[in-house]
Amino acid sequence: SQQGEEDPQALSIQEGENATMNCSYKTSINNLQWYRQNSGRGLVHLILIRSNEREKHSGRLRVTLDTSKKSSSLLITASRAADTASYFCARGNASGGSYIPTFGRGTSLIVHP
Amino acid sequence: DGGITQSPKYLFRKEGQNVTLSCEQNLNHDAMYWYRQDPGQGLRLIYYSQIVNDFQKGDIAEGYSVSREKKESFPLTVTSAQKNPTAFYLCASSINLPDGLYGYTFGSGTRLTVV
Repeated sequence: SQQGEEDPQALSIQEGENATMNCSYKTSINNLQWYRQNSGRGLVHLILIRSNEREKHSGRLRVTLDTSKKSSSLLITASRAADTASYFCARGNASGGSYIPTFGRGTSLIVHP
Repeated sequence: DGGITQSPKYLFRKEGQNVTLSCEQNLNHDAMYWYRQDPGQGLRLIYYSQIVNDFQKGDIAEGYSVSREKKESFPLTVTSAQKNPTAFYLCASSINLPDGLYGYTFGSGTRLTVV
């Protein structure tokens, strides 16, 4: 399976600041997806960016993808205390007709009110 | 509302026991997955199933078993052969498209503890 990492592992900011987290991967991908996980809960899909896209926006979220560097970043602008959660990227590649994304360890974001 | 339901939310197992975690979805999704999450760790794939009556091992299948007799259901059994089963278990489903254009829908998880 593909491996990759999110960094930083932990991020602590004040409300109103921007939060940036990164995701790297090692092999080619079809798309990359970002998920959010509140403590003790399941993951919620945030945004998907395809390999032929460079940037995508959704509300206060901005995702970039640099396939030459095999990396992606998630920017949360004007953060709120409610954004406190862990954020994961899932790197997707199709193999033999199946699509099995792999997840890193995530970035734990704490937004202080 | 469509969604994916995991039960129970908390489960306690004695050493040597088998336990079964339930996962049901009414999204009409083709594929279903089981992941294990340990504290401070990412998600590791246990088993996945793309169609009824078929499933494949993931990265850490040893000590686990699954079945997929109905499209809606994908139960996971943690057997006594799994030596370190205490973890948070997440079930997910997705439409079975090879380019993964659709994201996963996750259940809210089952926390299994060995006592």
